[in-house]
Amino acid sequence: GESVGLHLPTLSVQEGDNSIINCAYSNSASDYFIWYKQESGKGPQFIIDIRSNMDKRQGQRVTVLLNKTVKHLSLQIAATQPGDSAVYFCAVTGGGNKLTFGTGTQLKVEL
Amino acid sequence: DVKVTQSSRYLVKRTGEKVFLECVQDMDHENMFWYRQDPGLGLRLIYFSYDVKMKEKGDIPEGYSVSREKKERFSLILESASTNQTSMYLCASSEPGQGYGYTFGSGTRLTVV
Repeated sequence: GESVGLHLPTLSVQEGDNSIINCAYSNSASDYFIWYKQESGKGPQFIIDIRSNMDKRQGQRVTVLLNKTVKHLSLQIAATQPGDSAVYFCAVTGGGNKLTFGTGTQLKVEL
Repeated sequence: DVKVTQSSRYLVKRTGEKVFLECVQDMDHENMFWYRQDPGLGLRLIYFSYDVKMKEKGDIPEGYSVSREKKERFSLILESASTNQTSMYLCASSEPGQGYGYTFGSGTRLTVV
């Protein structure tokens, strides 16, 4: 079945620096990819998505990069702020209507 | 905004009790899901439903059942709660078909003592 892995369980960055969170997936047929942010005590919230016919998509301070050749997905956060501290998950389509989630990277922003 | 509402934020139940976790969504979504979230294990799918009265097992259905009598409501049932079911439970809903993300509820943190 599909597996999704995140490269680092924890990432610490200085406020104002850029953050990069990585994710690898196994199913080459996956065609939709999402990043979620989960703050402490809350449910995951949608940040940004990308479809397999694209390799880059930008939002407000966030960019998602997709490399289908090596099955790798990354989330870049520009000018990281304390409010960005959270756990970040990638999710990819597996079969049918289901998403498969990575285990999450805890982003810690140091002042 | 799509709202997915889970009826309880925190629950404490005793071993052997029957536990009901309720989830309601207000955007007429076809699909609904129940996950549990544990440290180091990520989100694991318990059950999901693509339509009223329809349910399918996810990756870890043992010890759980579900009910979907109305489109907007998806209930997770722990038939006889055990301490290893202490976890964060997350409900989500989505439109049908690939290419749609999930909207999650705020979660229910269940402790079984």
